[in-house]
Amino acid sequence: GENVEQHPSTLSVQEGDSAVIKCTYSDSASNYFPWYKQELGKRPQLIIDIRSNVGEKKDQRIAVTLNKTAKHFSLHITETQPEDSAVYFCAATFSGGYQKVTFGTGTKLQVIP
Amino acid sequence: NAGVMQNPRHLVRRRGQEARLRCSPMKGHSHVYWYRQLPEEGLKFMVYLQKENIIDESGMPKERFSAEFPKEGPSILRIQQVVRGDSAAYFCASSTNLAGGAADTQYFGPGTRLTVL
Repeated sequence: GENVEQHPSTLSVQEGDSAVIKCTYSDSASNYFPWYKQELGKRPQLIIDIRSNVGEKKDQRIAVTLNKTAKHFSLHITETQPEDSAVYFCAATFSGGYQKVTFGTGTKLQVIP
Repeated sequence: NAGVMQNPRHLVRRRGQEARLRCSPMKGHSHVYWYRQLPEEGLKFMVYLQKENIIDESGMPKERFSAEFPKEGPSILRIQQVVRGDSAAYFCASSTNLAGGAADTQYFGPGTRLTVL
């Protein structure tokens, strides 16, 4: 089955700096990689996703990159703000089949004002 | 379009009682997933269901836990004879359907916080 590793487990940055979270996956058949943000006491919310037919996707201050050869993908947050503080989960799955989504263990991001 | 609904939002049970957690997927979604989350921890997969079918239950304990997603009505996660270790947040997610019916993006419900006294 799929195995997703996520690093770092905690990350502190100064407001305005960039934050990078990295994930690796094991199953070369995986073709869909979503990222979720979970604020304390709230549900995980989808913030961005990428499919294996592209290498990069941006949405305002958030970008995700995918390297299929190396089987790793990363989340980049630029110009961080205090409201970016949350736990971020990466995930991988084969979209188009009937397979569960495998989540990383999460990264707790703290943005220091 | 209403999002994924879960009820109750908070549930308190005494040891040995039964807990029933309900999940109504987003309109048009036919895939449902249940996850368990302990404080300060990640999302632990429990079970993946389609209407009237269990697709993958590899994350669900063999005893006391069961799940269903009937043709009509919400998906139910049932925990019998609860113990203190069952205290956690239980999240349900539903996913969009691709052409042909396979699963795609998951959207999460607000969760049910189960406390076992």
